[in-house]
Amino acid sequence: KQEVTQIPAALSVPEGENLVLNCSFTDSAIYNLQWFRQDPGKGLTSLLLIQSSQREQTSGRLNASLDKSSGRSTLYIAASQPGDSATYLCAVTPYYDAGNMLTFGGGTRLMVKP
Amino acid sequence: NAGVMQNPRHLVRRRGQEARLRCSPMKGHSHVYWYRQLPEEGLKFMVYLQKENIIDESGMPKERFSAEFPKEGPSILRIQQVVRGDSAAYFCASLQGFAETEAFFGQGTRLTVV
Repeated sequence: KQEVTQIPAALSVPEGENLVLNCSFTDSAIYNLQWFRQDPGKGLTSLLLIQSSQREQTSGRLNASLDKSSGRSTLYIAASQPGDSATYLCAVTPYYDAGNMLTFGGGTRLMVKP
Repeated sequence: NAGVMQNPRHLVRRRGQEARLRCSPMKGHSHVYWYRQLPEEGLKFMVYLQKENIIDESGMPKERFSAEFPKEGPSILRIQQVVRGDSAAYFCASLQGFAETEAFFGQGTRLTVV
């Protein structure tokens, strides 16, 4: 059974820092990996989708990498801003399981202090 | 093209009542997934539906919970005889196709059972 782990669970940084969020998964047989952002009391906003054949994706100050063989992904946030404060979730779509898509990690709660 | 629409956003039910949660996927999307997020916990898969078919309901409790996605209209998650433990945020996600495509989430329905 696929398991997804995110480290750290919580992170507090001063504004302007570059930071890295980590995601690991136990089974490398995946279709894709997706990073989401969730603000308190809100839904999930898709940030980046990386297909299994890709190594990374970029959107603005965000860069996500995928190393499928080692079961790892990182989300890099450049020049962090207070508006980046949110919970960041990674999720994988298992390759072998036709129904149970998007297995989520527990999230990293990010606080960027002004 | 509107995003994934969920309603109501907030729902309060007394123990023993029924709760109906609705999800309208993005235009052109025929796959819907329901997830539950308990307070301070991660997102847990409940059920995967395509139009008029339940593909995988392995994450949904066998009793009191049911889901449908009719040919016309939104997907419905129905909880009968609600109990306090059903209090949670319920999210749906829609996809255009299977697995390889990006998942888009609604804002969720926050169910409170009193």
